[in-house]
Amino acid sequence: NAGVTQTPKFQVLKTGQSMTLQCAQDMNHEYMSWYRQDPGMGLRLIHYSVGAGITDQGEVPNGYNVSRSTTEDFPLRLLSAAPSQTSVYFCASSTTGAHYTDTQYFGPGTRLTVL
Amino acid sequence: AQKITQTQPGMFVQEKEAVTLDCTYDTSDPSYGLFWYKQPSSGEMIFLIYQGSYDQQNATEGRYSLNFQKARKSANLVISASQLGDSAMYFCAMREAGLKTSYDKVIFGPGTSLSVIP
Repeated sequence: NAGVTQTPKFQVLKTGQSMTLQCAQDMNHEYMSWYRQDPGMGLRLIHYSVGAGITDQGEVPNGYNVSRSTTEDFPLRLLSAAPSQTSVYFCASSTTGAHYTDTQYFGPGTRLTVL
Repeated sequence: AQKITQTQPGMFVQEKEAVTLDCTYDTSDPSYGLFWYKQPSSGEMIFLIYQGSYDQQNATEGRYSLNFQKARKSANLVISASQLGDSAMYFCAMREAGLKTSYDKVIFGPGTSLSVIP
């Protein structure tokens, strides 16, 4: 199993550009989520999904869109990038989102810089 | 309100010594899970250990153990016999069962940077 994969690893955008960060998992996990990591702030939840067709907002959803058309894929879209979105983005998945014992497994991250 | 507190921004430990990384949490949910992750300089997030709120014994995984004190709401990570490869950021996280029908979310602390000295 590849686990959780993310592309690209690095990306530089100009303010106002749009892009999609890709995330895929091959573990048949129902729950997938996106976090951003900023210095001194740990990881903050952007959006999450408990299954295909179901998404919800996390702590910092503004400026980001998600959709989940398949169990495997959970892309994160930046419609109009802003410098405040410069961060490292992690995708994670777990078996379900319905039990507190479920362990999340993370992708390698995408380092995004917005100029 | 901060739900996960890690009061040690940076820690140093001598190689082969044991080290304790502190984590306190805040929840009114009786059902929750506590997780520790390691983030080396390469950037990936590596799951280390899990403790459930109803677990009677402290969790252990190899050189990692979790000192779980439920009444004090603390879940400290203990690393025994530190190795140079243990130098990394360590994050404590909590997943609550949720008091409503919406799905639970994972909350992370700000992390502790551990440096192992040869």
